[in-house]
Amino acid sequence: GQNIDQPTEMTATEGAIVQINCTYQTSGFNGLFWYQQHAGEAPTFLSYNVLDGLEEKGRFSSFLSRSKGYSYLLLKELQMKDSASYLCAPCTSGTYKYIFGTGTRLKVLA
Amino acid sequence: DGGITQSPKYLFRKEGQNVTLSCEQNLNHDAMYWYRQDPGQGLRLIYYSQIVNDFQKGDIAEGYSVSREKKESFPLTVTSAQKNPTAFYLCASSMAGGAVHEQFFGPGTRLTVL
Repeated sequence: GQNIDQPTEMTATEGAIVQINCTYQTSGFNGLFWYQQHAGEAPTFLSYNVLDGLEEKGRFSSFLSRSKGYSYLLLKELQMKDSASYLCAPCTSGTYKYIFGTGTRLKVLA
Repeated sequence: DGGITQSPKYLFRKEGQNVTLSCEQNLNHDAMYWYRQDPGQGLRLIYYSQIVNDFQKGDIAEGYSVSREKKESFPLTVTSAQKNPTAFYLCASSMAGGAVHEQFFGPGTRLTVL
């Protein structure tokens, strides 16, 4: 079967660091995407991991452990505009299908 | 500028009517996708197409139909058979073949069935 687990909601303070975890079980695995989605808008691409380890992109980093079925998104120096939902999406092998989690709604407080 | 467009942004229909949502892309992408998103939920795949004149059902295809007559266009029809059609519909496209590619999303259509 296929299952993705993310926290529903998180709250953090402006300037802080927050880590959003994602665990997944998929039939075949071909990498994992993280997307950001502001309320009422389309998701936008943040990162892609296919090998174990950390990928860093400015204030955002993403980590993957394939053996553990685990990924996290790390957001540093939080800004108010980072208030959004963050969607974890593993990609199944052999297809172009992503499986999207329900997302983690992040609130950044002043 | 290259991109993916959906129209209209908001759509209202009476129960029992079919409605077609438009999705166009000029990114020269082979693959296109339709997702549905309900409040507080993730994206669920309705249909996807990897090449012109071919498409596959996603996880929740019942009550929907699509066509892929042109590379640029992938319209979605919400039929009267869809029991709960009110939702936010997102179209996406990506390159296809070989490696995994990121999906680019359109702005979405919010459909309300009265």
